[in-house]
Amino acid sequence: SQQGEEDPQALSIQEGENATMNCSYKTSINNLQWYRQNSGRGLVHLILIRSNEREKHSGRLRVTLDTSKKSSSLLITASRAADTASYFCATDGSGTSYGKLTFGQGTILTVHP
Amino acid sequence: SQTIHQWPATLVQPVGSPLSLECTVEGTSNPNLYWYRQAAGRGLQLLFYSVGIGQISSEVPQNLSASRPQDRQFILSSKKLLLSDSGFYLCAWSQGVGAEAFFGQGTRLTVV
Repeated sequence: SQQGEEDPQALSIQEGENATMNCSYKTSINNLQWYRQNSGRGLVHLILIRSNEREKHSGRLRVTLDTSKKSSSLLITASRAADTASYFCATDGSGTSYGKLTFGQGTILTVHP
Repeated sequence: SQTIHQWPATLVQPVGSPLSLECTVEGTSNPNLYWYRQAAGRGLQLLFYSVGIGQISSEVPQNLSASRPQDRQFILSSKKLLLSDSGFYLCAWSQGVGAEAFFGQGTRLTVV
């Protein structure tokens, strides 16, 4: 079953603007991961944040995690047209999860040149 | 470096026909392997995972089965396809808990 919801479902912005996507989940986690998917392609891992971390940066990406609210956000700064893709959060459940991931429904990001 | 190969990229099959999708991983040993399915415009749903040769766990009861005949080979099969089996199938591997997953390019299956 799906772990939670992503918000918004779709986001349309201009190049240079920041894009923020939110993810909520329902159960305890080992970590939360963000993935990107270009249309009709496989998923590419962007960033992983562990349950004991609150914020993580990677290049133009900033991820926050609030385990008390069971939510995470992904911020892409200074967006580019090449950032156009679907973005998914995925949780790795606590305990012996074997690395199984539960995905959100995704946010479709469109960056206009 | 590690790579994951998944084929075919697209497949159109008639209802009632068999299915075999193959996935192989290179550059790592004893990976955890996963099959996910993605319905149009939706997130991914885990179908099967494997932590070792011959060890398969099913997450969702369905018309599909999986096998792992070798350490780095994962196969998704069906004896008789249903229309509802249409979708985008993705193979992935990881080193397990706390590790990122690496995905193949996916197979778009259309059952007609």
